[in-house]
Amino acid sequence: DSGVTQTPKHLITATGQRVTLRCSPRSGDLSVYWYQQSLDQGLQFLIQYYNGEERAKGNILERFSAQQFPDLHSELNLSSLELGDSALYFCASSPGTGIATGELFFGEGSRLTVL
Amino acid sequence: EDQVTQSPEALRLQEGESSSLNCSYTVSGLRGLFWYRQDPGKGPEFLFTLYSAGEEKEKERLKATLTKKESFLHITAPKPEDSATYLCAVQDSGGSNYKLTFGKGTLLTVNP
Repeated sequence: DSGVTQTPKHLITATGQRVTLRCSPRSGDLSVYWYQQSLDQGLQFLIQYYNGEERAKGNILERFSAQQFPDLHSELNLSSLELGDSALYFCASSPGTGIATGELFFGEGSRLTVL
Repeated sequence: EDQVTQSPEALRLQEGESSSLNCSYTVSGLRGLFWYRQDPGKGPEFLFTLYSAGEEKEKERLKATLTKKESFLHITAPKPEDSATYLCAVQDSGGSNYKLTFGKGTLLTVNP
């Protein structure tokens, strides 16, 4: 158990809809990262927050947004969903602002299926 | 742009049959190379960090090595419980301190 909690574990929705994925980081970790994993693309970095502030953006679509709340949990909002958004979405956390040691603690993921 | 290529895509071994997984990378400057293990239905789990060519790290039956162009994950006398997808990732010293670029992984199956 990494200590990172993600909900929901599975989500099935229709094209055009909007969903919210939630992540609670490990106790004491200030950074939260979101990754998307698909069969053809592998793990793709989406966005990082540190103590409530956005720190880095990766390949995140404009239809996607995220935020980190004062209690440090984070939400990833996906809107105007397309079939190609079907993937596993992982949240990870780390203690500091960066990844000095490369050690990220990943949750078990949220599997999104868009029909 | 940073690139990470892992080979083979899949590897099937018999219990006790040692082998190696390869991770080739292209970065402007390497801050670190990382190995993760991912079990089905789970998130990746951190294994090793390597920072410079010639460095080696070991953990049980796994040993990771690093050269200027690639990294190897050597698996000695594997057991069925070593079956998983092994992911390699790099962090560019010229980029942000936040982004890891992952390869697509090698799916390892160890048969008893």
